[in-house]
Amino acid sequence: QVQLVQSGAEVKKPGASVKVSCKTSGYAFKTFGINWVRQAPGQGLEWMGWISGYDGSAKYAQNLQGRVTLTTDTSTTTAYLELRSLRSDDTAVYYCARIYSGSYSYYQYYMDVWGKGTTVTVSS
Amino acid sequence: QSALTQPASVSGSPGQSITISCTGTSGDVGDYNYVSWYQHHPDKAPTLVIYDVTKRPSGVSDRFSGSKSGNTASLTISGLQAEDESDYFCCSYAGGTSHWVFGGGTRVTVL
Repeated sequence: QVQLVQSGAEVKKPGASVKVSCKTSGYAFKTFGINWVRQAPGQGLEWMGWISGYDGSAKYAQNLQGRVTLTTDTSTTTAYLELRSLRSDDTAVYYCARIYSGSYSYYQYYMDVWGKGTTVTVSS
Repeated sequence: QSALTQPASVSGSPGQSITISCTGTSGDVGDYNYVSWYQHHPDKAPTLVIYDVTKRPSGVSDRFSGSKSGNTASLTISGLQAEDESDYFCCSYAGGTSHWVFGGGTRVTVL
């Protein structure tokens, strides 16, 4: 079955970087992209960015431009989120979610399979 | 504060119907028929229950239905069951640079 398995919880100091992985299985990696979404404590969900499984093209939320990089490794069908210059308000649960998409475009407009989330805590 | 507004909680007795609203703007819910709803049990992966406003994925109970009027989308759960007790959040495509916006989530309690 289709699975998105995320890496474990992280604790980081302000100013550090974190890299979260999303190991996919059970489907053709190149026919779907991955959305990254986060939820800070007591807040709603926030879209961070999307990366194509087809060619690695990516789109980013404006407020995170310059601090976030999305990548994929097609050999291991894994997607990665790297967030730099961490601040306390980056403390959140980070989710990856599959979305049917190609290069630079979505083919469908919903996320049909999600990971369980990775808790990232930023604290001095 | 979330881009889409949902009530914090909704409750109902077994067998009743409940409706969760999701209010956005003309730039998201009002402009696109791409509203989706997710059920989210704590510490589990969210699961898709409605997509494209009214469509139900294979395997999802027909007790779940979706609708939209103007800038407000709604999720209705009919014949409420104990297993429906969970958090639910809505999502809308927003185009442009926003791409995706979400609701703050609604806790459904079965009395």
